[in-house]
Amino acid sequence: DAGVIQSPRHEVTEMGQEVTLRCKPISGHNSLFWYRQTMMRGLELLIYFNNNVPIDDSGMPEDRFSAKMPNASFSTLKIQPSEPRDSAVYFCASTDVSGESYNEQFFGPGTRLTVL
Amino acid sequence: AQSVTQPDIHITVSEGASLELRCNYSYGATPYLFWYVQSPGQGLQLLLKYFSGDTLVQGIKGFEAEFKRSQSSFNLRKPSVHWSDAAEYFCAVPDYKLSFGAGTTVTVRA
Repeated sequence: DAGVIQSPRHEVTEMGQEVTLRCKPISGHNSLFWYRQTMMRGLELLIYFNNNVPIDDSGMPEDRFSAKMPNASFSTLKIQPSEPRDSAVYFCASTDVSGESYNEQFFGPGTRLTVL
Repeated sequence: AQSVTQPDIHITVSEGASLELRCNYSYGATPYLFWYVQSPGQGLQLLLKYFSGDTLVQGIKGFEAEFKRSQSSFNLRKPSVHWSDAAEYFCAVPDYKLSFGAGTTVTVRA
């Protein structure tokens, strides 16, 4: 398996532009997570999907952020309009949640976003 | 809610020396616990996990961790550090999501 795939790996954009980050989870996994990592705030969970349905989006910073999971093999995180404070590394992770077991999350390589 | 605390922000260790990273958890029952490693420019990789049973857990890359209920700790250890172990290490406790500690950055000096 190729693991969790994220694209692009690097994105540089100007303030006000729309940014779309993409994630392909590991085949067979039923849960997908979007995280943001910054020096100041560390790793933050933005949103969590289970079976393509958003379960917890309390970590989404504001309305400029939106995430979708149209099917089990694809998710997007969109920022519109982007701001310099959105500059961070965004990680996607997936796992198979079943019953009471807590399986490890598999992380993608991340997308490093720079908003100028 | 479950949470973990990593008291050490940064640790410097000589190559070949032993390493111990601290993690304290806050949870009434026996928690599930993970250690992840993040190498520079990379995503997070699972080193080891504790669910139940033997309190000494072996992981990848020569790491081990010991669950101590009396101390609410799950410290990560490696007997002899290699330069490639320079990375950031995260302790985490899962619920339906992972709650991460703040991370400990390990620098390895020659």
